[in-house]
Amino acid sequence: GAGVSQSPSNKVTEKGKDVELRCDPISGHTALYWYRQRLGQGLEFLIYFQGNSAPDKSGLPSDRFSAERTGESVSTLTIQRTQQEDSAVYLCASSPRTGGYGYTFGSGTRLTVV
Amino acid sequence: SQQGEEDPQALSIQEGENATMNCSYKTSINNLQWYRQNSGRGLVHLILIRSNEREKHSGRLRVTLDTSKKSSSLLITASRAADTASYFCATDPNTGGFKTIFGAGTRLFVKA
Repeated sequence: GAGVSQSPSNKVTEKGKDVELRCDPISGHTALYWYRQRLGQGLEFLIYFQGNSAPDKSGLPSDRFSAERTGESVSTLTIQRTQQEDSAVYLCASSPRTGGYGYTFGSGTRLTVV
Repeated sequence: SQQGEEDPQALSIQEGENATMNCSYKTSINNLQWYRQNSGRGLVHLILIRSNEREKHSGRLRVTLDTSKKSSSLLITASRAADTASYFCATDPNTGGFKTIFGAGTRLFVKA
């Protein structure tokens, strides 16, 4: 597609449930990033994928968080046993390659854990 | 702590005035980027300046980079109400990885 697509745009879930967030990057973009943004704050790096290289998972806050990407296409971010502090907007971005290129961001998924 | 930190945290100006936002960072970088965010959702890439560049222009935007001071500034000239948004700087640290680090942002409000 023309841009980065994220789904769902909004998700309300009960504490303890698992959620799966999806990101469709721009076709041909080999680099894909996930960020988390709490209300009124900056972006917190979670994970990035570059082609078929091992992903950099150093930003994942706990083992409840995991992400996958098949080749250079769709990525899913999974949060298991959600907690209230997981409430945030989860942003996905893609880039032609890592380093030296601006990112194109999706509109994000607003996750609310009640 | 944040690699990039913007200053001021919030800025309110009249339409037509210039807006200047600053960003400081801690480690050496490959490049620095500025983004705009409306309504707390997706960010829009504005401009990228590489570590060997000192100034870059794009329309009403002017970005400077001083690697000796580890700082950058974003100037928006002749501001408009539509420029109201949050502005973030982001750095690609020169540490062998590509973990772009974003600051907490400057909230700009342009009054019509």
